[in-house]
Amino acid sequence: DTEVTQTPKHLVMGMTNKKSLKCEQHMGHRAMYWYKQKAKKPPELMFVYSYEKLSINESVPSRFSPECPNSSLLNLHLHALQPEDSALYLCASSQEYSNTEAFFGQGTRLTVV
Amino acid sequence: GESVGLHLPTLSVQEGDNSIINCAYSNSASDYFIWYKQESGKGPQFIIDIRSNMDKRQGQRVTVLLNKTVKHLSLQIAATQPGDSAVYFCAEDMEYGNKLVFGAGTILRVKS
Repeated sequence: DTEVTQTPKHLVMGMTNKKSLKCEQHMGHRAMYWYKQKAKKPPELMFVYSYEKLSINESVPSRFSPECPNSSLLNLHLHALQPEDSALYLCASSQEYSNTEAFFGQGTRLTVV
Repeated sequence: GESVGLHLPTLSVQEGDNSIINCAYSNSASDYFIWYKQESGKGPQFIIDIRSNMDKRQGQRVTVLLNKTVKHLSLQIAATQPGDSAVYFCAEDMEYGNKLVFGAGTILRVKS
């Protein structure tokens, strides 16, 4: 199984809503990532989890709150987002400390209204 | 051809021709590089990788070249097919196994 599964595929939320994005992998990877991708731009790193601990936060606003409940799951909790936060949110995973490729999910297309 | 400015560079090739996509990376300490392909509405898909102790690596129809002196990567696709049409990103690993940063991307359009 070389899949990273993200749910939901699409999400529309209001600026006062609270929602969560979910990501799951069963490859035994111990590094998991959240990326944000705007149209016609490269993915931008948001967070890195290593062995279920947050190891990198790329100065992401606190309205984005990551969580890694176990080695297979990664969540991104969203609260009080702005319309400019509308983007494709990508989850990825990789083996830790072995310089191997990161496997990406299909992303969640988020629209904030 | 190519477009510049606010748009991604675009490479248009005829089906069957070879394609060369270029990328400049930023960190001379990066030791691992990956090429990804991203089709519309999908996540990035791994194509090929290379470590900094190599200058060339070949896969099926693809070759990656690494020039550390000028911090440059290239992806060569042989006999380009319509299914190769996508956006191609290079990515560099800026901290050992932990921080993958993407380059700007290039749109590849294959004309039949």
